[in-house]
Amino acid sequence: AQSVAQPEDQVNVAEGNPLTVKCTYSVSGNPYLFWYVQYPNRGLQFLLKYITGDNLVKGSYGFEAEFNKSQTSFHLKKPSALVSDSALYFCAVRDMGVNDYKLSFGAGTTVTVRA
Amino acid sequence: DTGVSQDPRHKITKRGQNVTFRCDPISEHNRLYWYRQTLGQGPEFLTYFQNEAQLEKSRLLSDRFSAERPKGSFSTLEIQRTEQGDSAMYLCASSSEQGHTEAFFGQGTRLTVV
Repeated sequence: AQSVAQPEDQVNVAEGNPLTVKCTYSVSGNPYLFWYVQYPNRGLQFLLKYITGDNLVKGSYGFEAEFNKSQTSFHLKKPSALVSDSALYFCAVRDMGVNDYKLSFGAGTTVTVRA
Repeated sequence: DTGVSQDPRHKITKRGQNVTFRCDPISEHNRLYWYRQTLGQGPEFLTYFQNEAQLEKSRLLSDRFSAERPKGSFSTLEIQRTEQGDSAMYLCASSSEQGHTEAFFGQGTRLTVV
């Protein structure tokens, strides 16, 4: 079985400050890891992914994420948050094994960036 | 627009009625997924198609739910005898066949059962 935990329901930061959204995962094999963002009444937009290689991956809108195998974590980061980053963020995992199609999501973290 | 499209965007129906949603994936994508999202939760996997074959159905998908993907192109999700607990956002996504590729999501269909 595979699962994702996002331990924080909400993250509040001031504009210009660094933003971190936490994610830990569990898979039986090796993971593919993804971050998505969702704006109100919209579908999910892909931000970035980790497949293999460099543990620090860069994605859209200045976001990056760091894969840590020993801690089974994949935290999302942005050095300087913008008000427009306020949204709902989801971490997701796929197992590289047989069922490599199934994407399992965390419960989401609401990010609020205040001006 | 070459993204995933879903129709309708919103559906309000009375309890006990049947509803059908449509999803048009990105044309070159073999894989198609349906997810359900309720308020405050992440998307939950419902079912998966590889081309026209439905390869997995979640236990969340009761007998009242059926999904098809004829000819491996668009897909439909039908809910029979709707219940208030079916109220949710239904998301469709598609991806290419490799597991490392990201899934692209549609805007979703928001179902409200009254």
